Amino acid sequence: SQTIHQWPATLVQPVGSPLSLECTVEGTSNPNLYWYRQAAGRGLQLLFYSIGIDQISSEVPQNLSASRPQDRQFILSSKKLLLSDSGFYLCAFDRVNTEAFFGQGTRLTVV
Amino acid sequence: GQQLNQSPQSMFIQEGEDVSMNCTSSSIFNTWLWYKQEPGEGPVLLIALYKAGELTSNGRLTAQFGITRKDSFLNISASIPSDVGIYFCAGQWGETSGSRLTFGEGTQLTVNP
Repeated sequence: SQTIHQWPATLVQPVGSPLSLECTVEGTSNPNLYWYRQAAGRGLQLLFYSIGIDQISSEVPQNLSASRPQDRQFILSSKKLLLSDSGFYLCAFDRVNTEAFFGQGTRLTVV
Repeated sequence: GQQLNQSPQSMFIQEGEDVSMNCTSSSIFNTWLWYKQEPGEGPVLLIALYKAGELTSNGRLTAQFGITRKDSFLNISASIPSDVGIYFCAGQWGETSGSRLTFGEGTQLTVNP
């Protein structure tokens, strides 16, 4: 069966520190992969999506970057976190014309 | 780019009432999906629609894929307190890889016992 794992579940980081959130998918190949951010419990803002290894599109200019070193691994990073980077981050995957599956999310608090 | 308008933004209802929410798009979609998100969790798929005109039920939930392929609705009958959460519609327009999902802004549902 297809599963998606995202970690950590919660993270508290100081301003200016680096960030690395990891997401892996099992049970499928060549998935589309997504990183979303959700603020205040409303609306999913698409940050990055990827249709293949090293093929990543950025939706909004920001302090974050994404990488896909392997087919089923998607990493969200930052070199220096800002207070405004706080939020709920969700990783998701889908395949052509299939439903998307979400990870459990990471609650990031930048202090 | 693709635009999805989801309404209403929030609903406050009494237990037992029926709920209706909808999404409209500026472009055609080939797939419509409805998700529910509970606090601190990732969204979970409720219903998937793949054909224009399709009407699908999942327990007390019913969703339809509009004939024009530009809209979809979700109905919840006889609401209960555990229906509380944020409901998202999502559409996918392509038939090839790279056809990413577009999400609505969500409908926050509150059910009063």
